[in-house]
Amino acid sequence: AQKITQTQPGMFVQEKEAVTLDCTYDTSDPSYGLFWYKQPSSGEMIFLIYQGSYDQQNATEGRYSLNFQKARKSANLVISASQLGDSAMYFCAMREGWISGNTPLVFGKGTRLSVIA
Amino acid sequence: DGGITQSPKYLFRKEGQNVTLSCEQNLNHDAMYWYRQDPGQGLRLIYYSQIVNDFQKGDIAEGYSVSREKKESFPLTVTSAQKNPTAFYLCASSIGGAGTGNYGYTFGSGTRLTVV
Repeated sequence: AQKITQTQPGMFVQEKEAVTLDCTYDTSDPSYGLFWYKQPSSGEMIFLIYQGSYDQQNATEGRYSLNFQKARKSANLVISASQLGDSAMYFCAMREGWISGNTPLVFGKGTRLSVIA
Repeated sequence: DGGITQSPKYLFRKEGQNVTLSCEQNLNHDAMYWYRQDPGQGLRLIYYSQIVNDFQKGDIAEGYSVSREKKESFPLTVTSAQKNPTAFYLCASSIGGAGTGNYGYTFGSGTRLTVV
């Protein structure tokens, strides 16, 4: 079974508008962490934002925020005021047993975001 | 500057050949990982190592081998047993240890392997 599901293979958004990228996850471990990465066409992976399962508030980093709904097991990424440079692949990932930093991340299949001028 | 270096950036392999992808980090990270990326498939874990001289298979280890003789280095060999090796390969490292689960990965810039 998929541990991380990203249901939107591709998304379009108008420049300066907000966009939400969906991510649902599956785990029975009460301790886990959720990550979002951006991959431009160059192939590099850029860390965007992190949310721990015990965090009380939704994470925010500049124009990025994470809409964390624990009961629904969803961790959607919200990008506000989209810019042309936001066009990229976006991956949601999870680490179970987050207390240890050694365990591998499990990634979703990604969403390709295209920002239109 | 600390970072993680993958080489080469592009690699061409003939049928039946073994090739080795290099991954070196100077971040003093304990854990290192290899992922394969295919279009529409996301990143799939090949092997990972949490400590020197130890490594574990990931989801798609067949046809690959690794070694971890030094903390800084985690080379990946794509053997002739890997029937469809054409893909983008990403190496990553993380701090490891208790209480560091909120740290993500530092990624290398990737190696694009093509079978010719």
